[in-house]
Amino acid sequence: EVRLVESGGDLVQSGGSLRLSCAASGFTLSDHYMDWVRQAPGKGLEWVGRIRNKANSDTTEYAASVKSRFTISRDASKNSLYLQMNSLTTEDTAVYFCARVYCSGSDCPWEKAYFDHWGQGTLVTVSS
Amino acid sequence: DIQMTQSPSSLSASVGDRVTITCRASQGISNNLAWFQQKLGAAPKSLIYGVSSLQSGVPSKFSGSGSGTDFTLTISSLQPEDFATYYCQQYDSYPLTFGGGTKVEIK
Repeated sequence: EVRLVESGGDLVQSGGSLRLSCAASGFTLSDHYMDWVRQAPGKGLEWVGRIRNKANSDTTEYAASVKSRFTISRDASKNSLYLQMNSLTTEDTAVYFCARVYCSGSDCPWEKAYFDHWGQGTLVTVSS
Repeated sequence: DIQMTQSPSSLSASVGDRVTITCRASQGISNNLAWFQQKLGAAPKSLIYGVSSLQSGVPSKFSGSGSGTDFTLTISSLQPEDFATYYCQQYDSYPLTFGGGTKVEIK
């Protein structure tokens, strides 16, 4: 069974840093693209960024709102995904979800693949 | 960036009603369109990908259609467990973007 469990959410002051984790089970994390998506209180979903799979060199993409402040990485030995968040502002207050990107077949078009599983989320609160 | 516009932003419906939610993309996204359901306080759940393909385990009362820039999610017979917020998302190009959501409430 595929399972994603986020952790690391906390209350942090503006300008501070925080690292979120997403522990995966039931599949090999490095075989998949993985994304972070966030949701501010009472608001909609916002894509944060992506790390491509090992076959695509673990390269990353970010939303403009977090680029140069957030970094996505993974540790294959722990089957875990991370989101390092620096220079946090109150605008970063949100529940952060990790999501698995799914693609099947040897010629799978990963750049046009879709989310299938989500974690339960972890709350980050940035105070001023 | 591709803007995704959902309508309506909310609707009230009764159990057994047929419900349709619309999503419009600001430019063509081929068939790279997904739908998600989110209940209050829970994580999103993937319902549909590729405009009309159901994720594993999703009941057939959910269906998706459309092409190019205009897409719809239909729930054929609304049940109590379907009252939630629904989001569309394009995954055709970066940044990935979501619609603003449609809250389906009990009439």
